[in-house]
Amino acid sequence: TQLLEQSPQFLSIQEGENLTVYCNSSSVFSSLQWYRQEPGEGPVLLVTVVTGGEVKKLKRLTFQFGDARKDSSLHITAAQPGDTGLYLCAGAVDAGGTSYGKLTFGQGTILTVHP
Amino acid sequence: DTAVSQTPKYLVTQMGNDKSIKCEQNLGHDTMYWYKQDSKKFLKIMFSYNNKELIINETVPNRFSPKSPDKAHLNLHINSLELGDSAVYFCASSLGTGDSPLHFGNGTRLTVT
Repeated sequence: TQLLEQSPQFLSIQEGENLTVYCNSSSVFSSLQWYRQEPGEGPVLLVTVVTGGEVKKLKRLTFQFGDARKDSSLHITAAQPGDTGLYLCAGAVDAGGTSYGKLTFGQGTILTVHP
Repeated sequence: DTAVSQTPKYLVTQMGNDKSIKCEQNLGHDTMYWYKQDSKKFLKIMFSYNNKELIINETVPNRFSPKSPDKAHLNLHINSLELGDSAVYFCASSLGTGDSPLHFGNGTRLTVT
């Protein structure tokens, strides 16, 4: 069973601060996805990283996939109240085409950005 | 148009009752899922169907029975509800390959009293 350890579990910061969320595993993943979930809604995909060492930027959000494809991080620059939400990492395992998109989710990071 | 829609949004019922949650997707995806999110926000897969066939069953009690009448629908029926079944249940769909992103519905909050 692949496990994803996500940290921190809770993060409460002031507007304008930077933050990093980590997602770690002892297993290798073929890709890693980051989702954001707002109250009363389902998770929405932010980004997928597939190559070891890959860095992707989405405005103020920077996503990195570890060289060994066992870990990932999400860095937010100059956080805004609109960034508040639950951030989830999810790893996919390539089982030779038989995984049918089964993802293993981390425990999530609840981010609160205060004005 | 909503891509993945599930009903009802809220479900409050008593222990021992039987209830169903419906899900429909209009994305043309072949694979659909049911996930359970507990009070600590942890998302865990329950079932996955590909073209109406059960692919993944993650050690879910037999009281939970998914049904897929066609590849655009995946319903979840729960018998003899227990207090521990209280959670938010999410339906999702994807293309079904390993890296395919999941498209989630907005969840059904089930409360068993």
